Amino acid sequence: DTGVSQNPRHKITKRGQNVTFRCDPISEHNRLYWYRQTLGQGPEFLTYFQNEAQLEKSRLLSDRFSAERPKGSFSTLEIQRTEQGDSAMYLCASSPQHLYNEQFFGPGTRLTVL
Amino acid sequence: AQTVTQSQPEMSVQEAETVTLSCTYDTSENNYYLFWYKQPPSRQMILVIRQEAYKQQNATENRFSVNFQKAAKSFSLKISDSQLGDTAMYFCAFMKPHSGGGADGLTFGKGTHLIIQP
Repeated sequence: DTGVSQNPRHKITKRGQNVTFRCDPISEHNRLYWYRQTLGQGPEFLTYFQNEAQLEKSRLLSDRFSAERPKGSFSTLEIQRTEQGDSAMYLCASSPQHLYNEQFFGPGTRLTVL
Repeated sequence: AQTVTQSQPEMSVQEAETVTLSCTYDTSENNYYLFWYKQPPSRQMILVIRQEAYKQQNATENRFSVNFQKAAKSFSLKISDSQLGDTAMYFCAFMKPHSGGGADGLTFGKGTHLIIQP
């Protein structure tokens, strides 16, 4: 399968713990996006990378959130000191240079904060 | 900032019927893209259809077509000959391109849960 992959698929943690999610985009897709989707809502944009450069961050991305894409391939999203309000599905998407207006989504990581 | 509104939380139709999902948006941009994405239960989001704002012709993809009314900022999705596999959440989304290439992230509506009854 050469689609976008995300790990883990599910994560249960206790409030106050740190969590890290990984996204592997489709090979040679230079753009990578992170979204958050809460129950009954559409996805909300968090941040965007072009290669290794983080070009845009939403106001939703508080200082407890950090994202990296160190070599322009996979990306990680870390949430520090998790809160119950962080419980959501975290989606990753990627797009190629020549077709930036089509984003290919991964299956998501479902985070539950107890 | 852009907003996308889907006013139908849930719709249910019989198999083989035609169904139309509504979407309105608000933007001050003149050039942008509009999308319909499908999210089946417990499965990942996939692109159904895409419309470029500068194109007057409505996009079509097999059984899926859109009615794009730029002046009214309306972008509805019509599904013809609906099938059981069309059961899913459908999200309308907006994207603003950058002049130098690339684009902002997608702005999504809250979605419409479409149920196709056998």
